Amino acid sequence: AQTVTQSQPEMSVQEAETVTLSCTYDTSENNYYLFWYKQPPSRQMILVIRQEAYKQQNATENRFSVNFQKAAKSFSLKISDSQLGDTAMYFCAFANYGGSQGNLIFGKGTKLSVKP
Amino acid sequence: DAGITQSPRHKVTETGTPVTLRCHQTENHRYMYWYRQDPGHGLRLIHYSYGVKDTDKGEVSDGYSVSRSKTEDFLLTLESATSSQTSVYFCAISGGYNQPQHFGDGTRLSIL
Repeated sequence: AQTVTQSQPEMSVQEAETVTLSCTYDTSENNYYLFWYKQPPSRQMILVIRQEAYKQQNATENRFSVNFQKAAKSFSLKISDSQLGDTAMYFCAFANYGGSQGNLIFGKGTKLSVKP
Repeated sequence: DAGITQSPRHKVTETGTPVTLRCHQTENHRYMYWYRQDPGHGLRLIHYSYGVKDTDKGEVSDGYSVSRSKTEDFLLTLESATSSQTSVYFCAISGGYNQPQHFGDGTRLSIL
């Protein structure tokens, strides 16, 4: 069974600084996707970034980038120039597209607080 | 934003009563999902649908049933609600099994 582990329950960062959130996963599959979702206090689940396992290049979306280490099964999220609006729960998620209909498996989340 | 509406947004009910949550989409997406979110567990898949009348179980399906008679609606039913089903329920949709899922705003369900 696939599992996703986020080892940092809570983190904090000063505004304008850079922070990295960790995620590791376990799978025997070779064809899969990884995601980071953001959940602000409004409770919405917002897709931040997506990485296809077959791509060696790390995904980036503006201030958000990932460090994808396939052999190590590691998928960390880096937030640059942190803003107060980045305060949220961040969930790492895994989807095996080999036959599970894209069902997402989530980690337990990291609560990020951005301090002024 | 993806056109996903969950109803109701909040509900309080008593143990043993039936409860139905509705997810409505305007994107004509094939795939729809129901998750529950509990403290310390992240989101866990309850049931999903890959087409009209095509559904399957997820990780935590016991005590839940679903139906999808139209592309746009996916219903989640608790036949006899229990306090352990107090949670926040999210619906998600995607255009294909290899496409990202987009989530509704969630339903907070409290069972007393």
